[in-house]
Amino acid sequence: KQEVTQIPAALSVPEGENLVLNCSFTDSAIYNLQWFRQDPGKGLTSLLLIQSSQREQTSGRLNASLDKSSGRSTLYIAASQPGDSATYLCAVSWGNKLVFGAGTILRVKS
Amino acid sequence: SAVISQKPSRDICQRGTSLTIQCQVDSQVTMMFWYRQQPGQSLTLIATANQGSEATYESGFVIDKFPISRPNLTFSTLTVSNMSPEDSSIYLCSVARQGSSGKQYFGPGTRLTVT
Repeated sequence: KQEVTQIPAALSVPEGENLVLNCSFTDSAIYNLQWFRQDPGKGLTSLLLIQSSQREQTSGRLNASLDKSSGRSTLYIAASQPGDSATYLCAVSWGNKLVFGAGTILRVKS
Repeated sequence: SAVISQKPSRDICQRGTSLTIQCQVDSQVTMMFWYRQQPGQSLTLIATANQGSEATYESGFVIDKFPISRPNLTFSTLTVSNMSPEDSSIYLCSVARQGSSGKQYFGPGTRLTVT
């Protein structure tokens, strides 16, 4: 069965800290992996997409890495800000279908 | 990118009734999907909406409960039929374009509460 797991389930950090969110998946034959952000009561915002042939993607203070052989991805957030507080979702595509992890609830304290 | 709108944004419905949710995209897209997010849970794919043919449903979801239409490349509807409180969820539409490396864009969601 194709499953996605995210650790930790919740994280609280002081402003300015660098942090890492983890995502693991079964079945390394993925098509791509996406990281999303979800704010309370709102839809999803796509942060980064990594193709199966890629090792990492960067956007501003965000960096996502992919290690297919070990079935892992990490989302690195540099110099965290209170505005980064949200739920971060990892989603893996095996073909067209996206399978989501349960998410990491991030709170950045000012 | 794609600009996606959903109607209604939220609704409160009585059990036994049905609600149709609309998803409109600002440009033609290849793929359209419907997801459900139950309270405190992550997203689960309900079905892929196929233009001009029957939707493809995931395990645990059936057409009688969640009929889907997709009359063209920019519009789709999801109906939640014969609702019960267990159907209270956020329903999200997403789209992807061919050749976009599989990147999916999501609508704002419809928050449904069944009483």
